Amino acid sequence: DAGVTQSPTHLIKTRGQQVTLRCSPKSGHDTVSWYQQALGQGPQFIFQYYEEEERQRGNFPDRFSGHQFPNYSSELNVNALLLGDSALYLCASSLEWDRGRGETQYFGPGTRLLVL
Amino acid sequence: AQTVTQSQPEMSVQEAETVTLSCTYDTSESDYYLFWYKQPPSRQMILVIRQEAYKQQNATENRFSVNFQKAAKSFSLKISDSQLGDAAMYFCAYRSAGSGNTPLVFGKGTRLSVIA
Repeated sequence: DAGVTQSPTHLIKTRGQQVTLRCSPKSGHDTVSWYQQALGQGPQFIFQYYEEEERQRGNFPDRFSGHQFPNYSSELNVNALLLGDSALYLCASSLEWDRGRGETQYFGPGTRLLVL
Repeated sequence: AQTVTQSQPEMSVQEAETVTLSCTYDTSESDYYLFWYKQPPSRQMILVIRQEAYKQQNATENRFSVNFQKAAKSFSLKISDSQLGDAAMYFCAYRSAGSGNTPLVFGKGTRLSVIA
């Protein structure tokens, strides 16, 4: 049973650049959520995708955007990178059917982004 | 908005001993879910245990158990017979059970060290 996978594992960018992070959900899952985890902090919710649409968004600027594909995989795009965007970006997948049951989110290993 | 507080930035425990990690949360909701996640150095967030707020019985998973005090809004994690592999960051998380798609709200985490 394939778990949540993310690519790349590490990434170094400079200020002002754009970056795309990728996530493949756990087999059978149809909902993908993205979180940003700054050093020494807990993860913070960026947004969630279901049926190729953004369903809910946390307190993040429009520079953060995403996409979900028909196979449920997802991308996180960040434009005009700032130093403060340096963080671990976590993808979590879940099953919509379980939503009313407080569905468990399964996390990937994350992408470490460093902005210089 | 809901908040989760973990007041112990670091804890340590001797191998085979028992340790309790604290978590408090603030919410005006009556129905919700609580989780403990473990994040080892590999960065992958792993679900340890979950608790439904409507259940009075405390959840248990092998060596891991919780003490859920709904009135006090407290959700502590007890690890019995601690093992070296338990060393990790532990995050407490809250999720609303209301309608709509609610994200996980995390605390800042507790770093657990296990001493051989």
